[in-house]
Amino acid sequence: EVQLVESGGGLIQPGGSLRLSCAASGFTVSSNYMSWVRQAPGKGLEWVSVIYSGGSTYYADSVKGRFTISRDNSKNTLYLQMNSLRAEDTAVYYCASPRSYDSSGPFDYWGQGTLVTVSS
Amino acid sequence: SYVLTQPPSVSVAPGKTARITCGGNNIGSKSVHWYQQKPGQAPVLVIYYDSDRPSGIPERFSGSNSGNTATLTISRVEAGDEADYYCQVWDSSSDYWVFGGGTKLTVL
Repeated sequence: EVQLVESGGGLIQPGGSLRLSCAASGFTVSSNYMSWVRQAPGKGLEWVSVIYSGGSTYYADSVKGRFTISRDNSKNTLYLQMNSLRAEDTAVYYCASPRSYDSSGPFDYWGQGTLVTVSS
Repeated sequence: SYVLTQPPSVSVAPGKTARITCGGNNIGSKSVHWYQQKPGQAPVLVIYYDSDRPSGIPERFSGSNSGNTATLTISRVEAGDEADYYCQVWDSSSDYWVFGGGTKLTVL
């Protein structure tokens, strides 16, 4: 059974840094692409970043240059390093993964989310 | 960047049919996926590749996609279907995943 468990969220001051983790079980994080998706309070879903099995990474314009996605194959864990945080980064952050290798496919699996609050 | 447009809200009486649209430029040429999200919960995939249903999703959920509009149809709506629904595509030109703004389905 596939499980994704996020951690690392919390309250952080503007300009600060935070690293989110997504521990995976039931599959290997390096075997397929994985993404982070966020949801600001009362708002819709927003794709944040992806890392492909080959290591290529892409970011939404809103976080480019500030966030870094990575993975640790030995820990089977996905990460999101968030720097220069802004109030508008406040959101629940989900890690999401597909079942297929097709980029146009759906996100079949989602974690429960971790809340990041950026406030002074 | 590619934009998906959904109505903010749809209301339907129990037992009736709800249709939630997702508009996008030539969206019929893309694969559309739909997610259901209830308060405080993670999204759940309910329709993928326009019209396929994951195991465990009732047959009452169906999807279609043509031209500039994709549609999620929920037949014989139940109170438990009340949730936010999001459409999603992959924009190959930018390597971005795009979500619609979401539609709140209210069961009257």
